[in-house]
Amino acid sequence: AQKVTQAQTEISVVEKEDVTLDCVYETRDTTYYLFWYKQPPSGELVFLIRRNSFDEQNEISGRYSWNFQKSTSSFNFTITASQVVDSAVYFCALSDAGGTSYGKLTFGQGTILTVHP
Amino acid sequence: DGGITQSPKYLFRKEGQNVTLSCEQNLNHDAMYWYRQDPGQGLRLIYYSQIVNDFQKGDIAEGYSVSREKKESFPLTVTSAQKNPTAFYLCASSIGLGIETQYFGPGTRLLVL
Repeated sequence: AQKVTQAQTEISVVEKEDVTLDCVYETRDTTYYLFWYKQPPSGELVFLIRRNSFDEQNEISGRYSWNFQKSTSSFNFTITASQVVDSAVYFCALSDAGGTSYGKLTFGQGTILTVHP
Repeated sequence: DGGITQSPKYLFRKEGQNVTLSCEQNLNHDAMYWYRQDPGQGLRLIYYSQIVNDFQKGDIAEGYSVSREKKESFPLTVTSAQKNPTAFYLCASSIGLGIETQYFGPGTRLLVL
């Protein structure tokens, strides 16, 4: 069975601080995809990134970066120089490419990030 | 603009009443999904549809029903059998089923009177 764990329920930082959101996953499949979504106060989930299990290269997009480590089953998300607009709930999710879980996204519980001015 | 629309934004249900949540997409996506979100929890899958006239139960389908008569539309009915319907409901779509990225609508908040 698939499982995604986001151990940090809430994180509070001051603007311009760097912050890392942790994500640990479990799956029996060798082919899978990992996602991060942002949910601002408006409620809509905004897609941030999708990575497949064969690509362990870290990715950077502006102030956002992602560190994928298959050896520890982790896919952590770092925001550099955080801003108040980064305040949101962030979800990590997993999708298997086969088996009975095919087509289903399994979400973590989410991490509430609050960035104070 | 391409995207997913959900209506209404807020919906109130009386005891014993069925209510229908609308979800429309103009992204030409084949697959569509309904999720439920409760406070402090992640999203849980209610139903999904790979193609028109086909849909499958997700993890928490009891008390819900769906239809997929058109590619663009995937309405969700919350029936009176759903004893705890108060939640935030999110609709999503993707190019195909499986590992494709799912894109979400703005959500509908359902409250019980």
